[in-house]
Amino acid sequence: ETGVTQTPRHLVMGMTNKKSLKCEQHLGHNAMYWYKQSAKKPLELMFVYSLEERVENNSVPSRFSPECPNSSHLFLHLHTLQPEDSALYLCASSQERGAYNEQFFGPGTRLTVL
Amino acid sequence: DQQVKQNSPSLSVQEGRISILNCDYTNSMFDYFLWYKKYPAEGPTFLISISSIKDKNEDGRFTVFLNKSAKHLSLHIVPSQPGDSAVYFCAASASMNYGGSQGNLIFGKGTKLSVKP
Repeated sequence: ETGVTQTPRHLVMGMTNKKSLKCEQHLGHNAMYWYKQSAKKPLELMFVYSLEERVENNSVPSRFSPECPNSSHLFLHLHTLQPEDSALYLCASSQERGAYNEQFFGPGTRLTVL
Repeated sequence: DQQVKQNSPSLSVQEGRISILNCDYTNSMFDYFLWYKKYPAEGPTFLISISSIKDKNEDGRFTVFLNKSAKHLSLHIVPSQPGDSAVYFCAASASMNYGGSQGNLIFGKGTKLSVKP
């Protein structure tokens, strides 16, 4: 595997379910990100991890819980979501956190909350 | 309020012609700008970037122009090819802490480019 991978690619869940999204980067990067893309909206940054430490939580509701066990893996744990949380969730990584570091994106997980 | 705006949701051009995608930004602290391309069912892929110390950056068929006084950048694709059909996102970031977060990418909503054979 190369680049940034995400699993699952599609997920349908009820509002009472608990599920997790997984991201893995094979680029040796030190920063990882979760983004949300809703229909007709720009990509919204959710969380930033740098060297496995969460450095930013962009006012995301607590029903989204990130985890970064090592520099190659990032998880997004989901529980008691709402239908408006249905969106494309994208993971990205970059060499370092900072303005001049290009971010590499995974293919995303298309989440539907019923 | 959106700090990065792509006011054209879609653009259609003929193969071989020039495609011009536009992007405006409001925050004068932004000093690094990027364009990403996204095909359906794939994540965005980096295309080209420009630092605020430059006004032009070229990479093959792709050129990005930056007008700092107008807070405007544009992506030119010449000649356009059917494989260029995708959604193009403009993004901006600031190297200094500005009240938003240093280094975070702020994206526009995207412009869907269709290149017709």
